[in-house]
Amino acid sequence: EIVLTQSPGTLSLSPGERATLSCRASQSVGSTSLAWYQQKLGQAPRLLIYGASSRATDIPDRFSGSGSGTDFTLTISRLEPEDFAVYYCQQYGSSPLTFGGGTKVEIK
Amino acid sequence: EVQLVESGGGLVQPGGSLRLSCAASGFTFSTYWMSWVRQTPGKGLEWVANIKFDGTEQFYVDSVKGRFTISRDNAKNSMYLQMNSLRAEDTAVYYCGRCRGRSIYYFDYWGQGALVTVAS
Repeated sequence: EIVLTQSPGTLSLSPGERATLSCRASQSVGSTSLAWYQQKLGQAPRLLIYGASSRATDIPDRFSGSGSGTDFTLTISRLEPEDFAVYYCQQYGSSPLTFGGGTKVEIK
Repeated sequence: EVQLVESGGGLVQPGGSLRLSCAASGFTFSTYWMSWVRQTPGKGLEWVANIKFDGTEQFYVDSVKGRFTISRDNAKNSMYLQMNSLRAEDTAVYYCGRCRGRSIYYFDYWGQGALVTVAS
């Protein structure tokens, strides 16, 4: 199965700063078979990005995704207070689908 | 508005059984593949099983094959996960999710989760 490694484990930033999160796959997941989710404490994950770069419904344009093959990035252009959460990537290019271990974005 | 609501979680002894339900609303349930995904502090998020829109195909992660059964009732807009021979390592929050994509999926909507604790 494809292993997804997310880095860094924790990102300490201030509101208004730019966040760059990485997701690296142990083998190619295909050109665009990658999704990103946001999860806040006590809540279910929420889909942010699918197809590596397509924003899900009602997701603000400060969230953007890029990458292909084995290297993917989620960028939050300017952090809002509600963006501090844990972010997960998930590949759906190879069975079984798998998730990364998450990156926590915390307030500095 | 799409809503998924899980129920049926609880405390069960090792070797016991539990049945989770997922009630769907706000979309045409019978046209979507659906999945169960679980989350633990140790292993993170793990896909468990999925079921075709008409219930004719089911797929499972290896660790639950032969113990868990996914099913659905499109007349009731509901999906189920029958969990037998439960083990401590099955302890998790179980989410139902609506599948998107082709043959392998991502999830555009999730329920709020149901906590399953396997302990004596």
